[in-house]
Amino acid sequence: GESVGLHLPTLSVQEGDNSIINCAYSNSASDYFIWYKQESGKGPQFIIDIRSNMDKRQGQRVTVLLNKTVKHLSLQIAATQPGDSAVYFCAENTNSGYALNFGKGTSLLVTP
Amino acid sequence: EPEVTQTPSHQVTQMGQEVILRCVPISNHLYFYWYRQILGQKVEFLVSFYNNEISEKSEIFDDQFSVERPDGSNFTLKIRSTKLEDSAMYFCASSEVRGDEQFFGPGTRLTVL
Repeated sequence: GESVGLHLPTLSVQEGDNSIINCAYSNSASDYFIWYKQESGKGPQFIIDIRSNMDKRQGQRVTVLLNKTVKHLSLQIAATQPGDSAVYFCAENTNSGYALNFGKGTSLLVTP
Repeated sequence: EPEVTQTPSHQVTQMGQEVILRCVPISNHLYFYWYRQILGQKVEFLVSFYNNEISEKSEIFDDQFSVERPDGSNFTLKIRSTKLEDSAMYFCASSEVRGDEQFFGPGTRLTVL
């Protein structure tokens, strides 16, 4: 079936480096994408979203890139900090849908 | 900043017992959701609720599950007869608009023995 998936299950980076987390999706009808951060024992926390009419969106230290041609989504975190250590999920939806379809998650570990 | 709250934070129950998980969505939101996350796995959609009725549900949401908005602030998930495989984190979420950002609560950890 159609699914959202992540390329790497774990990512280890040095503090201060930039991090890139990737996500592939297969539902061509998806038009809304979200990145969530989940710390241990907590619920998913919204980071940034992007709609299919955009290729790039920037937030504070985070950038989301959307490549609709290859159905690929990425999250870039600039100057990664220890507090960024968490599991990151991409999720997709359609404007007419209710359910968010989550990927499997990438664990980001920031080392000093 | 408004947030989704959930109670209890941890619920332990015996197999076959009924459980009710409670949520208070963000006050001006109109769309409510339940998701679950089995340990170490991805977050899975269970059900969405709008205008006092279920708007969408997944295959997981079978006859053992039900949702209710008993008053103007609470949103509940009932599992009628729990099974071992129902053990998971259950997250409530809400959104102001369909197809928009969903805000998640801290979750209820359900342990079925």
